[in-house]
Parts: sequence; C-alpha cells; structure tokens
Amino acid sequence: AQTVTQSQPEMSVQEAETVTLSCTYDTSESDYYLFWYKQPPSRQMILVIRQEAYKQQNATENRFSVNFQKAAKSFSLKISDSQLGDAAMYFCAYRTLIQGAQKLVFGQGTRLTINP
Amino acid sequence: SAVISQKPSRDICQRGTSLTIQCQVDSQVTMMFWYRQQPGQSLTLIATANQGSEATYESGFVIDKFPISRPNLTFSTLTVSNMSPEDSSIYLCSVAGWSTGANVLTFGAGSRLTVL
Repeated sequence: AQTVTQSQPEMSVQEAETVTLSCTYDTSESDYYLFWYKQPPSRQMILVIRQEAYKQQNATENRFSVNFQKAAKSFSLKISDSQLGDAAMYFCAYRTLIQGAQKLVFGQGTRLTINP
Repeated sequence: SAVISQKPSRDICQRGTSLTIQCQVDSQVTMMFWYRQQPGQSLTLIATANQGSEATYESGFVIDKFPISRPNLTFSTLTVSNMSPEDSSIYLCSVAGWSTGANVLTFGAGSRLTVL
C-alpha cells in the first residue's frame, strides 16, 4: 500500500520569504498523481498544486511550485513571497491511477505559520 | 469545478445517538468519497460511495457503524451510528469526475461533530 510522509509537523516563515515543505512517498507504481492541499482554519480543503508522475517538468502555480524527484520519491512544495493568507495546514497526497482505487492517501500534514 | 454542500456544518451529539451527514454536489460526478479527520490529525478515507450499490469500506471501517447511501450521481449520505466521544471528528465529502476532472478531488467544507 502507498504511504505518504511529511516529516515537518510545523514550519514558520517570515512574510515575503520563501519556504519549502517536504514530502516523501512510497509506491511500487510507475504512474500516479501527487497533490498538495491546503486547509486553513475554515477547514476547507483547497487544492494548491498537482503533479502527474509521467511528467518530468515540475508543476508551477503562481507562487507555488514543486520539486518532484521521482527516483527519490520526493515531492516538496515551495512557496515564494509568502503571504499571511498562506498560513494553513498543508497536506501532501498520493493518488493511484488504478481504476476503482482512486482514493487520496494523505500525509500527516505540516502546519505553516507566516510571521508578519 | 463542482460546488459541494455538506450538512450539517457542525453538530453536538449525545453518546449513543446517530447522525446523518448529507453531501450534495451541483453537478454529476463519478466518484464520491467520505473522509474522517480526527482532531489534529490527517484525513483518513472511510469509504467510497458507489451509486446504486453498497459502499466500499476501508480497513477499520464497517457498514454497521458508518452506513452510506448514494442514490444518484449528485448526492450521498454518511451516517455515524451509536456515537461515542471517539467519533468526534470532521467528516468530509469529496468528489471527482466529469465536472471536476477525473484526477482531482474536490472537497466539501466538512461537518464537525462533537460527541458528549
């Protein structure tokens, strides 16, 4: 079974600075999806960014980018120019492409604090 | 993307009672999932709601405790039966397919249950 590990329970960064959140995963599959979700205090899960494993190019969404290292099974999230609204729990998630088993497997989460 | 309405948003329940949570999507989706998020924890999949047939439960979750219905492609319910304080959690509905895209899960705002 796939597992996702986030080794940083908490992180903090100064406003306008850059922060990187770590995520590693374990799988025997060659094709899959990886996601970063954000959960602010409102508890709404919000998709931040996704990466298809077959794509070598790292995904980017405005200030958010990933460093996807398939061989190392690593999927880190970089947030540039951090803003107060980025404060939230961040979850890394894995999704198989196997039909009928396309659930998300989540990591433990990293709580990100933005210091003004 | 799809808009998901979950009801109730929150509730306080007495031990031994049951509560049904509703998930309504504004467009047809192929997949619907129910997740549990215990206090300070990550998300754990309870089951996949299958239209017109019994839900597919994850290890550790059983139908007698968490009966699920999915009568059509836009609606599902999760019942938490015979509640105990250990059932105090956020329960989240998520969907994928068609209007949302098959590979991205969209989440409802969650239902926060407190069991006394």
